[in-house]
Amino acid sequence: QQQVKQSPQSLIVQKGGISIINCAYENTAFDYFPWYQQFPGKGPALLIAIRPDVSEKKEGRFTISFNKSAKQFSLHIMDSQPGDSATYFCAAANPETSGSRLTFGEGTQLTVNP
Amino acid sequence: DAGVTQSPTHLIKTRGQQVTLRCSPISGHKSVSWYQQVLGQGPQFIFQYYEKEERGRGNFPDRFSARQFPNYSSELNVNALLLGDSALYLCASSFILGAMTDTQYFGPGTRLTVL
Repeated sequence: QQQVKQSPQSLIVQKGGISIINCAYENTAFDYFPWYQQFPGKGPALLIAIRPDVSEKKEGRFTISFNKSAKQFSLHIMDSQPGDSATYFCAAANPETSGSRLTFGEGTQLTVNP
Repeated sequence: DAGVTQSPTHLIKTRGQQVTLRCSPISGHKSVSWYQQVLGQGPQFIFQYYEKEERGRGNFPDRFSARQFPNYSSELNVNALLLGDSALYLCASSFILGAMTDTQYFGPGTRLTVL
């Protein structure tokens, strides 16, 4: 059962452009939404996370936008750089009831051309 | 400081065999989780352990089992391997269980190939 759907599957952006990745979830019990970045041969690394009590969170060039009523959230990467080329995963969890269990999206392979 | 370490890095087995994967969490972390990542997909939750007790299990058959040791390291065992078990197996550790601000740190994974 796929509870977190992610799009697009792949994304190509020019250096300096904006990368946008979208996710939608089904389980309204989720209340923690992290984004992970994964480089080839490495495990996923936490990039930024948000809770549903805020609609936006920004850390440097990375911004999460959250729409609780639509059950959707997105990652925006401003001024995209070739070093941002990686696979990005959205995830969702309910730490209070399910501990550290993360439900991941299918992933988006981002390529930033120089 | 050392991050989450996993061994071995790569492993090749044949169908029907058994495999044991190992994980050492970050020093001081008491919670360990295991995920399976099939090529081209997101990680799928397998197990979660905290203070040596199983605290969650994903939708995986009984061929999958795990345990956590007093030093908080963990092993994942898979019996009667199938071709479909070929994947990257990820271990993640966190300081405690269920804290909203507690980040999960992933290891580099063990690449299992079943022939």
